Amino acid sequence: SQTIHQWPATLVQPVGSPLSLECTVEGTSNPNLYWYRQAAGRGLQLLFYSVGIGQISSEVPQNLSASRPQDRQFILSSKKLLLSDSGFYLCAWSLGGAGNTIYFGEGSWLTVV
Amino acid sequence: KQEVTQIPAALSVPEGENLVLNCSFTDSAIYNLQWFRQDPGKGLTSLLLIQSSQREQTSGRLNASLDKSSGRSTLYIAASQPGDSATYLCAASNYGQNFVFGPGTRLSVLP
Repeated sequence: SQTIHQWPATLVQPVGSPLSLECTVEGTSNPNLYWYRQAAGRGLQLLFYSVGIGQISSEVPQNLSASRPQDRQFILSSKKLLLSDSGFYLCAWSLGGAGNTIYFGEGSWLTVV
Repeated sequence: KQEVTQIPAALSVPEGENLVLNCSFTDSAIYNLQWFRQDPGKGLTSLLLIQSSQREQTSGRLNASLDKSSGRSTLYIAASQPGDSATYLCAASNYGQNFVFGPGTRLSVLP
């Protein structure tokens, strides 16, 4: 069976510090990978998605970047965090192609202070 | 651009009631629609996926319907239990595009 792991679960970082959130998927090959952010009381905002190694699409311009160094690894990064980067970050995966269920990790709480 | 809304934003019902959650989408040319459950501080758990060619899907006490022509989907929960308390989100996917999520309905089932 497929599983998705995301870490760290909780993170408190000062403004201006770097960020690295990591996500790995097991039990499948060549998945589509996604990073979402969920701000308090708001819906999910798609930040990045990837259909293959090194292929990253950005949905919104912002202070964050994503990388996919391996088939089942997806990393969300920032060089300098802003207060507005605080939120709940969710990694997700789906099989390639359209019409497939999307599966989420447990999420990472980021508080920028 | 696809937009997804959900009403009500919050719902509180006594245990045992049957209830309906609503999801609306603006672009009826969807490929599929998915319902999720989110517990506080946790990730999303997929409940039901309805393909565009389907009218409904059922899993246990849950039944999701899809009416593309009216841009609506409903999630029916039968005989609600306190353990059903969570936020329920729907998401629509158009062909070649990623899922667009609604803001969710926060459900509280009172014992």
